[in-house]
Amino acid sequence: DAKTTQPNSMESNEEEPVHLPCNHSTISGTDYIHWYRQLPSQGPEYVIHGLTSNVNNRMASLAIAEDRKSSTLILHRATLRDAAVYYCIHIQWTNQGGKLIFGQGTELSVKP
Amino acid sequence: SQTIHQWPATLVQPVGSPLSLECTVEGTSNPNLYWYRQAAGRGLQLLFYSVGIGQISSEVPQNLSASRPQDRQFILSSKKLLLSDSGFYLCAWSGTGGARFGYTFGSGTRLTVV
Repeated sequence: DAKTTQPNSMESNEEEPVHLPCNHSTISGTDYIHWYRQLPSQGPEYVIHGLTSNVNNRMASLAIAEDRKSSTLILHRATLRDAAVYYCIHIQWTNQGGKLIFGQGTELSVKP
Repeated sequence: SQTIHQWPATLVQPVGSPLSLECTVEGTSNPNLYWYRQAAGRGLQLLFYSVGIGQISSEVPQNLSASRPQDRQFILSSKKLLLSDSGFYLCAWSGTGGARFGYTFGSGTRLTVV
């Protein structure tokens, strides 16, 4: 199964940008990069995903390295509600949906 | 819009008792469905996934089973619960476009086996 490597934990100050790194050196050409976050006692929440190009949405930006072996999730202005465990996953696109295989993720804490 | 429902939210069951957790999706057809379990701490473990009615793939051998009797219904069952079955169970769905789209998770069931 596809494996990603993320720092165990990170800290940020409120209203500052946060860059969450992820290494996925075993990624293949058709694998998508997905990011999810999980607040305590809740199910994971989709954040963003991409294939090759950088992606932006209302929640975050995703910067994908040119060789696709790493990516960075960018929260432009961290809020206290952004404190969560962030999971980076790469999954193969198939007509049968692919499987999200979660690693340990990065626990982000946000200080006021 | 699409929604996913999972119940119950919490459950306390004695060892050896049966289990049935239900998950339903609304607002979409032919979703891919998934059951995950999260033990204490992090690490979501994929248990089962289904790409259609009656089609179940098991990821981890255990005393749990899954069924998909209807297109948008996914059920997780056990005939006899073990203490090690305690955990946070999550259902998820994705569209038939596969990894090109995000996955949506339910709110989870906290199961405690006593």
